[in-house]
Amino acid sequence: QQQVKQSPQSLIVQKGGISIINCAYENTAFDYFPWYQQFPGKGPALLIAIRPDVSEKKEGRFTISFNKSAKQFSLHIMDSQPGDSATYFCAAIGTGTASKLTFGTGTRLQVTL
Amino acid sequence: GAGVSQSPSNKVTEKGKDVELRCDPISGHTALYWYRQSLGQGLEFLIYFQGNSAPDKSGLPSDRFSAERTGGSVSTLTIQRTQQEDSAVYLCASSPIAGGVFADTQYFGPGTRLTVL
Repeated sequence: QQQVKQSPQSLIVQKGGISIINCAYENTAFDYFPWYQQFPGKGPALLIAIRPDVSEKKEGRFTISFNKSAKQFSLHIMDSQPGDSATYFCAAIGTGTASKLTFGTGTRLQVTL
Repeated sequence: GAGVSQSPSNKVTEKGKDVELRCDPISGHTALYWYRQSLGQGLEFLIYFQGNSAPDKSGLPSDRFSAERTGGSVSTLTIQRTQQEDSAVYLCASSPIAGGVFADTQYFGPGTRLTVL
C-alpha cells in the first residue's frame, strides 16, 4: 500500500515558469514532510520541509503548500531554471516513531531553455 | 566535514552470488538507514539502525537480506544468493538521532548501483 502518492511522474517546464509537484498522504501519524532533490548518480538531498502546523513555507524560489484537512502538500518552484532539472521526491515521516521516511514515486523535472 | 560515503559505487554480480555493500555514515550520527531505489520507483525503506541495534527491519524483502552495524558507525548490507530482481541502487542515510525533532534530517550517500546478471 503506497502511503504517499506523487504526481506528475514527469514534468517539462520552460525556463522562468512555475513547476508544481503534488503529493497526498494517508497516514495521519505523519508530522513532517520533506522534499528531496536528486541529480543523476547522486543521493537525494533535502531541499525544503514543512510541519503541519503551518500552511506554507518558502525558501528562495521553493515553496511548500500544505493542506492538512485534505492531507495534501505540494512543491512550487518559481522562476524555474535549467539547473533545477532533477528528480524530486516528496516524503513523509512520523517523528514520534521509528522515523523511516516514506517516499513518493518521484517526479522527473526538465526545465527547457 | 565528510558526508555519507558508500562503497562500491557500482557492483556487477552474477545471479546466485553474495554481495556486501558498505556505508560510512557522518561521524557522530547515531541513526542509520538503508533504502532501495529501483528503476522508475521511489525509495523503499529496508532497515534502520539506532546505534548497533536494528529496531526496524520491516523493509527487508526476504531472508536473503541482512545488515549489521558495528561500533555505532559503519554498516554492511549483505545480499545472499542474489537474484535479478535485486538489481537497484542501494542508498544509505544517516541522521544525528532517531526520533524527536532531529529525526527529520536524513543525509544520503551517493548509493551503490547493484546489477545482477
